[in-house]
Amino acid sequence: AQKITQTQPGMFVQEKEAVTLDCTYDTSDPSYGLFWYKQPSSGEMIFLIYQGSYDQQNATEGRYSLNFQKARKSANLVISASQLGDSAMYFCAIWGYSGGGADGLTFGKGTHLIIQP
Amino acid sequence: KAGVTQTPRYLIKTRGQQVTLSCSPISGHRSVSWYQQTPGQGLQFLFEYFSETQRNKGNFPGRFSGRQFSNSRSEMNVSTLELGDSALYLCASSLAGARGGYTFGSGTRLTVV
Repeated sequence: AQKITQTQPGMFVQEKEAVTLDCTYDTSDPSYGLFWYKQPSSGEMIFLIYQGSYDQQNATEGRYSLNFQKARKSANLVISASQLGDSAMYFCAIWGYSGGGADGLTFGKGTHLIIQP
Repeated sequence: KAGVTQTPRYLIKTRGQQVTLSCSPISGHRSVSWYQQTPGQGLQFLFEYFSETQRNKGNFPGRFSGRQFSNSRSEMNVSTLELGDSALYLCASSLAGARGGYTFGSGTRLTVV
């Protein structure tokens, strides 16, 4: 079984500041992938960034970067220079390769990020 | 290119009825997964289809079923609806498995009254 823990139910951040959203995970699978998704109020889940467990470098996608600390089982999302449009729910998720994705994506409870002008 | 399309966007049903939701994946994507999102339970995996075969299934009762057609379009069916089935149902498609990322649709919001 896999588990994702997001300890920040909500966050308020000033526009243009950097944001770090916390994510810790638990899995017995030696090969796994970690994802971050953004869900605005419209409901659609928007893929932000992916990190494979054997990837040597931390993933980056534009303003998004993933601070992957494998020994600590941590996969924090960093958003640089936050914008008002970044206000949304953010979900961390894990997918286990060895099980062939038997559990699908396992999501955390999410963090509600609000960017203030 | 077109994204993942889910229809209908909103649905209201009565307890005991059944409902069918539809998902058209991104062209070329052969994997389609379904998720249920509720305020209490969060996002939960329902099942995944690949090339018309159910590949994985989450921990949901048999009232929840699905299928995938030869054009990769997928349908999800819920029979004997219960109030607790009220949720946002999200469909996701993938080309290259997990590494390529799963692209989600906007979801179908089902309300059971």
